[in-house]
Amino acid sequence: AQSVTQPDIHITVSEGASLELRCNYSYGATPYLFWYVQSPGQGLQLLLKYFSGDTLVQGIKGFEAEFKRSQSSFNLRKPSVHWSDAAEYFCAVGLFPSGTYKYIFGTGTRLKVLA
Amino acid sequence: EPEVTQTPSHQVTQMGQEVILRCVPISNHLYFYWYRQILGQKVEFLVSFYNNEISEKSEIFDDQFSVERPDGSNFTLKIRSTKLEDSAMYFCASTWTSDETQYFGPGTRLLVL
Repeated sequence: AQSVTQPDIHITVSEGASLELRCNYSYGATPYLFWYVQSPGQGLQLLLKYFSGDTLVQGIKGFEAEFKRSQSSFNLRKPSVHWSDAAEYFCAVGLFPSGTYKYIFGTGTRLKVLA
Repeated sequence: EPEVTQTPSHQVTQMGQEVILRCVPISNHLYFYWYRQILGQKVEFLVSFYNNEISEKSEIFDDQFSVERPDGSNFTLKIRSTKLEDSAMYFCASTWTSDETQYFGPGTRLLVL
């Protein structure tokens, strides 16, 4: 069955430190890949996406992600975290498991930023 | 920039009552979705809708749930007889084509007492 794994439930980093959030997926083909961010009480905001082409994609707010086919991974990175990045981050894959396109989400990683 | 809107932002209801959650997708989008997120859990697919009919529904989407596009702009999710376990954040999403980025609304937080 298709699945998305975010192995880190919580991550705490200091402001200014680098960040990497992990995402692995299980799917027979290369799906469309997304990272969304959810601030407390807010909806889901798209950070970046990968459909094809260059495996390193740039997103908003200084985030980037790298697709590695051999590892079935799509890790999110930011070189220097800001306090406003504290939020929950969801990796999602868009796929056609039964003929209809839909998203499957990971369980999310909650990021805490220390001043 | 166009966005998906949802009303109400919060709703509290008694168990057994009917609720209707409303969404206004982006105007030229053709595919519509509902997802839900139980507190502390991941976002789960409920249903997809295209050309005035359900394309796919998850096992969560039982007979108590229904969706409708009553006019050219609204997309609704009805829960006929709410249960405690229906308490969740419900997100609406829409896309132009069937394999593009889904744009999510801000969600409706439903609390069933």
